[in-house]
Amino acid sequence: KNEVEQSPQNLTAQEGEFITINCSYSVGISALHWLQQHPGGGIVSLFMLSSGKKKHGRLIATINIQEKHSSLHITASHPRDSAVYICAVSKLSNTGNQFYFGTGTSLTVIP
Amino acid sequence: NAGVTQTPKFQVLKTGQSMTLQCAQDMNHEYMSWYRQDPGMGLRLIHYSVGAGITDQGEVPNGYNVSRSTTEDFPLRLLSAAPSQTSVYFCASSYYIPGNTEAFFGQGTRLTVV
Repeated sequence: KNEVEQSPQNLTAQEGEFITINCSYSVGISALHWLQQHPGGGIVSLFMLSSGKKKHGRLIATINIQEKHSSLHITASHPRDSAVYICAVSKLSNTGNQFYFGTGTSLTVIP
Repeated sequence: NAGVTQTPKFQVLKTGQSMTLQCAQDMNHEYMSWYRQDPGMGLRLIHYSVGAGITDQGEVPNGYNVSRSTTEDFPLRLLSAAPSQTSVYFCASSYYIPGNTEAFFGQGTRLTVV
């Protein structure tokens, strides 16, 4: 069983729609991360959360520590939001800062 | 500030060849790691390091070696390439301070073993 589960795996939306991607995890964590990967591109960090909610422009990320669940929302989606969104959790131990990754949600926003 | 620099971006190897993927970071991060990304799977940890001179195995270490002689550099060596090692490889560095941690990724290396 993967420590991090994401849903949905694939998502197609019309431009302007409100989008939600969900992430559940099963390990104790130091923080939860939302990452973005464009096709053929590198991985960039969107958010790091240890509690509550964060907002950057049209992107909102929330986390519920008790329920071990996080959501990434995109308001007024745009074709340039098309990418793979990856949920990851980090866990600090005496052997290092370990990251566990979900399999990603592939988002396509149609004009 | 270059962040994490990973080279090469693309590589084709023949089965049995060896090569080194380079990774360098200029952020003075203690933690560095190598992942491989395969279709339908999350990034999987190959090897990681918690500082110069300290490395350890991750989830899928077989066929790979690492060393960490300096804080900045963390090369990944493929000893004898196999088709199963065809993948996209990412190097990452990260820091941790209480209440804050972030990972920075290289641009990836797309490796094909034929």
